[in-house]
Amino acid sequence: SQKIEQNSEALNIQEGKTATLTCNYTNYSPAYLQWYRQDPGRGPVFLLLIRENEKEKRKERLKVTFDTTLKQSLFHITASQPADSATYLCALGVAAGNKLTFGGGTRVLVKP
Amino acid sequence: EPEVTQTPSHQVTQMGQEVILRCVPISNHLYFYWYRQILGQKVEFLVSFYNNEISEKSEIFDDQFSVERPDGSNFTLKIRSTKLEDSAMYFCASRAGQGTDTQYFGPGTRLTVL
Repeated sequence: SQKIEQNSEALNIQEGKTATLTCNYTNYSPAYLQWYRQDPGRGPVFLLLIRENEKEKRKERLKVTFDTTLKQSLFHITASQPADSATYLCALGVAAGNKLTFGGGTRVLVKP
Repeated sequence: EPEVTQTPSHQVTQMGQEVILRCVPISNHLYFYWYRQILGQKVEFLVSFYNNEISEKSEIFDDQFSVERPDGSNFTLKIRSTKLEDSAMYFCASRAGQGTDTQYFGPGTRLTVL
């Protein structure tokens, strides 16, 4: 069966350190993968998109990698800040413009 | 920066009643979506809409659900006869067009069915 798995345990990290989140998938051939931030009671906020033919993408303190052989994406927040505390969602798209299928999200808590 | 807006932010209804959730997608976007998120669960796809037609729908999107773009700016989700299990956050999303894959989400409508 198809699965998208993110670490359901919360990630507690000290301010200034790098947070690394994983997104693993099985029985998918995604065309792209997107990462979103979600705060409690709010809608997902788009952060980064990486396509199947891309290895890495960066945006300010964020970095995403995509390994289609390992069927895994890693999401890094460098120099983390308390304001980065939120739940981070990965979402796969299997065709251009198609529906997104979401993982369960990983909650990140950055302590001062 | 343009954003997707949704109204109301919170809707409380009695089981069996009809509700209409409203969304204003980002101007000039062509593709529209509804997702829902039951408390503590994953965000789930409901339906996609393009060129005044449903492009794809999930198993959740049964005959009780319908979508409409009644004018050039609004995109609505109607639930004809609400059930307790319809209680969730409903998110609208929009995408610009061909060659773009990023979907931008609205803040959501919290639907509570009593």
